[in-house]
Amino acid sequence: EPEVTQTPSHQVTQMGQEVILRCVPISNHLYFYWYRQILGQKVEFLVSFYNNEISEKSEIFDDQFSVERPDGSNFTLKIRSTKLEDSAMYFCASSEARTSLYQETQYFGPGTRLLVL
Amino acid sequence: KNQVEQSPQSLIILEGKNCTLQCNYTVSPFSNLRWYKQDTGRGPVSLTIMTFSENTKSNGRYTATLDADTKQSSLHITASQLSDSASYICVVSGGYQKVTFGTGTKLQVIP
Repeated sequence: EPEVTQTPSHQVTQMGQEVILRCVPISNHLYFYWYRQILGQKVEFLVSFYNNEISEKSEIFDDQFSVERPDGSNFTLKIRSTKLEDSAMYFCASSEARTSLYQETQYFGPGTRLLVL
Repeated sequence: KNQVEQSPQSLIILEGKNCTLQCNYTVSPFSNLRWYKQDTGRGPVSLTIMTFSENTKSNGRYTATLDADTKQSSLHITASQLSDSASYICVVSGGYQKVTFGTGTKLQVIP
């Protein structure tokens, strides 16, 4: 069964450094998402992406964050200058083109655990 | 403010027993409600998805119900197995791709 993959599984970085988290969505999916989950807290929506542009973003997704689909398979999340509070599990998800606006299953990747020191 | 509240926060049950998890939401407008299972350190896995016109949806031993009038949903697990131990998350979508996650119910099934 096809699945969303993410690399790396773990990333440790110094505060102020840039990190790029990578995701390979399911091949025929057209909608892509990033979420984060701070340890012990609920999952939070960051951004959704369709047709090579951001379609929705949350207040968490400020100018420090950017997303890109550099080629036909990868979907990346860049954090320009990491802060301690960026430490979290970051999940990528994808969904296929909808036949109905209300029916869409998002498939999540295994996550990248980011630790900012 | 859109909120999704889940109860109980945690639950321990014996293998083979049934359980019901609750979800109350204030998300508006309402698009759909999903239940996810999240194993520790893993990404959420979709169990069910329901729109406003659906009252119940089953996926094997999992049955979700939705009352759009009272803005409540439940997830019933039948004949629990040890592998059901996980967090169960209620997720409500309000409008185009606006999603609100609940805090989850941590279920532990013991032998």
